[in-house]
Amino acid sequence: NAGVMQNPRHLVRRRGQEARLRCSPMKGHSHVYWYRQLPEEGLKFMVYLQKENIIDESGMPKERFSAEFPKEGPSILRIQQVVRGDSAAYFCASSPGGDEQFFGPGTRLTVL
Amino acid sequence: GENVEQHPSTLSVQEGDSAVIKCTYSDSASNYFPWYKQELGKRPQLIIDIRSNVGEKKDQRIAVTLNKTAKHFSLHITETQPEDSAVYFCAAITWGGNEKLTFGTGTRLTIIP
Repeated sequence: NAGVMQNPRHLVRRRGQEARLRCSPMKGHSHVYWYRQLPEEGLKFMVYLQKENIIDESGMPKERFSAEFPKEGPSILRIQQVVRGDSAAYFCASSPGGDEQFFGPGTRLTVL
Repeated sequence: GENVEQHPSTLSVQEGDSAVIKCTYSDSASNYFPWYKQELGKRPQLIIDIRSNVGEKKDQRIAVTLNKTAKHFSLHITETQPEDSAVYFCAAITWGGNEKLTFGTGTRLTIIP
């Protein structure tokens, strides 16, 4: 059973470009969570999704950030018009619901 | 919302000695408390967890204790080894509630050979 997959592992964007981060949960897991980790800091919750539904987006910035988890395919975290402050590691976690969350390897976004 | 505080931020111990990391939480509804180990550039890995109906849990050299009344929980690592060097994060979650992990700020543990 493959673990949580994320791609790309490293992403470099110039200010103003768009970043698209993908997360494939573990097989059988229908709950996906996105967390952001700034350098030398802890992880901060961004958004919690189930298939085709956003359950909790209280940690998402109101502008430029969006997330989806379609019926088919991976969950996508989209950042429009990136700024230097968006540089961070973005981790996705999945769970079958009501249980432990397992983390993917993360996407390290660098904004030049 | 939930707030989790973690201490100390850095900890150095001699190989073979014990290490203790402490966390407090604010939301009395929190009922699940995992601990994650994160090595440099790697993903957080779940190393042990405890649910609110249990006071202590042990897995080989690692143990976690929970005091619900005081709203604090601790990670204990005995007979430390160099490979225990990493950043450790505590977290709290309310199952059946918001179901999002609130993390502490992390403890950088260094084992001195």
